[in-house]
Amino acid sequence: DVVLTQTPFSLSVTPGQPASISCKSSQSVLHSDGKTHLSWYLQKPGQSPKLLIYEVSSRFSGVPDRFSGSGSGTDFTLKITRVEAEDVGVYYCMQDAYSPLTFGGGTKVDIK
Amino acid sequence: QITLKESGPTLMKPTQTLTLTCAFSGFSLTTSGEGVGWIRQPPGKALEWLAVAYWNGDRRYNPSLRSRLTITKDTSINQVVLTLTNMDPVDTATYYCAHRRVYFDIVGLFDHWGEGSLVTVSS
Repeated sequence: DVVLTQTPFSLSVTPGQPASISCKSSQSVLHSDGKTHLSWYLQKPGQSPKLLIYEVSSRFSGVPDRFSGSGSGTDFTLKITRVEAEDVGVYYCMQDAYSPLTFGGGTKVDIK
Repeated sequence: QITLKESGPTLMKPTQTLTLTCAFSGFSLTTSGEGVGWIRQPPGKALEWLAVAYWNGDRRYNPSLRSRLTITKDTSINQVVLTLTNMDPVDTATYYCAHRRVYFDIVGLFDHWGEGSLVTVSS
């Protein structure tokens, strides 16, 4: 199985400041189609996960441009340029390339 | 607009079989590239993928739960059903269904999720 390890476990951010979350994969999630199928989700308190980023760096429809994804091979990063109060919740990375599909353990973001 | 909604029991006893229904709209499971999957989340824990049903009748399961899981679809009423046999307290979780944009094989994207259905297993 592809194991995704997220760091940090939690993050407390001042509004307007940047935030960064790491996701490291136990093996490459670069698929034979030439794409890296690594996604990011935000689960706000009491809600279901919502897709933010797919294929490492593509923002899903309606996602603000303060969210960006980067990385390759086994190391990936989600960045928020200026954190807003509505960005609180748990962020998960997920690999969509190999069975079983797997998620990272999550990073909880709150506001200072 | 894609929407999905889960329904099923909220409380179960050990050894019982869980049956959850996902009613969806905004897409058809007869269209190429469409799928519906199930993911669960124990209270305070991370997400775990369970199964996916594809437009072409194909189904994929998490190997760790394969012997207990069955996913079926009814395209005439836009529903997908998940059954999980021999429930145990460790299966207590919120169960989500999600639309799967399928590229090929297992590769795809969960781009829309339902609200989730909390199932508690207790004697």
